[in-house]
Amino acid sequence: GEDVEQSLFLSVREGDSSVINCTYTDSSSTYLYWYKQEPGAGLQLLTYIFSNMDMKQDQRLTVLLNKKDKHLSLRIADTQTGDSAIYFCAGRYNQGGKLIFGQGTELSVKP
Amino acid sequence: EAGVAQSPRYKIIEKRQSVAFWCNPISGHATLYWYQQILGQGPKLLIQFQNNGVVDDSQLPKDRFSAERLKGVDSTLKIQPAKLEDSAVYLCASSLSTRSETQYFGPGTRLLVL
Repeated sequence: GEDVEQSLFLSVREGDSSVINCTYTDSSSTYLYWYKQEPGAGLQLLTYIFSNMDMKQDQRLTVLLNKKDKHLSLRIADTQTGDSAIYFCAGRYNQGGKLIFGQGTELSVKP
Repeated sequence: EAGVAQSPRYKIIEKRQSVAFWCNPISGHATLYWYQQILGQGPKLLIQFQNNGVVDDSQLPKDRFSAERLKGVDSTLKIQPAKLEDSAVYLCASSLSTRSETQYFGPGTRLLVL
């Protein structure tokens, strides 16, 4: 079935790069997404990648997709304290477009 | 462009009571989704509408949950009667169509069932 998994916690120092990893089981995902959720807030779409791409860069964000290993990563360059949040990986499936989310990775950025 | 609106933002009820949530999607968005996010987990789809028709309600506990989108615009999600395990954030999202690659999320309604 459809499943998306992420590591639960990541702690980095301000100015370092952060890498958040995600694995998924269903290779029919057409798009893969990264959402950010700050405390008490909804989900903010950060970036997404089409399944026929290997990499996408958007300012400080770099998404890498390894389709063979069904592995997705999000790299945040020059991480700031404002990047502290929970990051969700999600896959979009053809039938109806619903999103399947991972359980989220809590990123803590220390000054 | 106004985003997805949801109300109320917070709700506290006792078990066995009823509760209703409201969502107004982005103007022109035909597809509307309700997700349930339990603390410490990712959101899980409850129901999806395309205009006023249901596309997917396979994960909706139909013995207690119901949802409607009568005019194909705003939507209500109801729980009757509520259980303790229904405590969660209920997120509404919308997209132009089921083929759109982007879903936009509202701020959510935080429900606590005591």
